[in-house]
Amino acid sequence: AQSVAQPEDQVNVAEGNPLTVKCTYSVSGNPYLFWYVQYPNRGLQFLLKYITGDNLVKGSYGFEAEFNKSQTSFHLKKPSALVSDSALYFCAVRGGSGNTGKLIFGQGTTLQVKP
Amino acid sequence: DAGITQSPRHKVTETGTPVTLRCHQTENHRYMYWYRQDPGHGLRLIHYSYGVKDTDKGEVSDGYSVSRSKTEDFLLTLESATSSQTSVYFCAITTTGMNTEAFFGQGTRLTVV
Repeated sequence: AQSVAQPEDQVNVAEGNPLTVKCTYSVSGNPYLFWYVQYPNRGLQFLLKYITGDNLVKGSYGFEAEFNKSQTSFHLKKPSALVSDSALYFCAVRGGSGNTGKLIFGQGTTLQVKP
Repeated sequence: DAGITQSPRHKVTETGTPVTLRCHQTENHRYMYWYRQDPGHGLRLIHYSYGVKDTDKGEVSDGYSVSRSKTEDFLLTLESATSSQTSVYFCAITTTGMNTEAFFGQGTRLTVV
């Protein structure tokens, strides 16, 4: 069965420090992996995705994520955190052949960046 | 936003009443989803559709039904609303191919009293 795990409910980091938000997944076939961000009382915004190719993908707002097939992980990273990065982050996976699988989300990680 | 609109945006209803939420898209995407978002649980898939009249259950489908009689509309019905169904409901579509991506509606806040 498809699943996504975000092991940390909350990540706290000081502004200017690097941040990592963790995600592991389980899916049959080749995974399609995504990160989304949600600001308070807003919908979800796309950050980045991995479909194929280079394991390091770059996305919006300076975020990047590294796909690690052997560890079935897709951790979100940013070299220097901003207070404005504080939000709820979701990892998602879509599997199945031909990209026809359902889209499953993790439970979300709250990122708190302190000045 | 891929032309996704949800209606209503807010609703308060009484326990035991049926409720239907509508998701409308304007770009003929094949895949549509309904999720609920609750604190501590993230986004959980209720039902999804992979074409007209083709639907399947997600992780939390009990108490919910869906219908998709035309490409642009995906309806979520709470047969008999309960307080545990108080939540924020999001509709989404996914595009296919190598540029696959998910786009979300703005959400519907449902309160069952």
